[in-house]
Amino acid sequence: EADIYQTPRYLVIGTGKKITLECSQTMGHDKMYWYQQDPGMELHLIHYSYGVNSTEKGDLSSESTVSRIRTEHFPLTLESARPSHTSQYLCASAGLAGRMPYEQYFGPGTRLTVT
Amino acid sequence: GIQVEQSPPDLILQEGANSTLRCNFSDSVNNLQWFHQNPWGQLINLFYIPSGTKQNGRLSATTVATERYSLLYISSSQTTDSGVYFCAVGPISSGSARQLTFGSGTQLTVLP
Repeated sequence: EADIYQTPRYLVIGTGKKITLECSQTMGHDKMYWYQQDPGMELHLIHYSYGVNSTEKGDLSSESTVSRIRTEHFPLTLESARPSHTSQYLCASAGLAGRMPYEQYFGPGTRLTVT
Repeated sequence: GIQVEQSPPDLILQEGANSTLRCNFSDSVNNLQWFHQNPWGQLINLFYIPSGTKQNGRLSATTVATERYSLLYISSSQTTDSGVYFCAVGPISSGSARQLTFGSGTQLTVLP
């Protein structure tokens, strides 16, 4: 089973606040990803990382930023939350360690509501 | 970028029925995964299947990479099978990053 964790699971916050969504994995995967999903819709990639100190933007433009200082940790930060940021954020990881190389495993997600 | 189309968008079944979900993609891939998203939003891995056929209990999947499609079969459906089924593909052009592009999903409802 995949071991990938996200906190918080639910967050309701006011406009203008700075927030950080946490994502950690214990599988030793080198690749990590952040996806955004609106209710009933497909997932869109917003950030990914090849490894420590390596981050790239995904296909969907996002005002969020990410960092990868440790292999197991890939936090996402919004400097100033807005109602348009209301969505579900899903973290995933993949790598050679595991049953299937490059199979992506997902965390439980964070449901963010900005009021 | 690569296009991923899933069909049908919605499917309603009686418990015990069989179903086939389809995923078409527009470019060569080196990664293809099927997921089930439960009512709490968690994505459950069903299959990692860039080519070939796999089976896991009542579920099986086939990917014909040369013809750019994949099929997910659900037999003897149960109410717990309800949810959204996503196909996601990783184009060869994405290189070692192996990013996934998701289809829009099939909403499956199994009635008791």
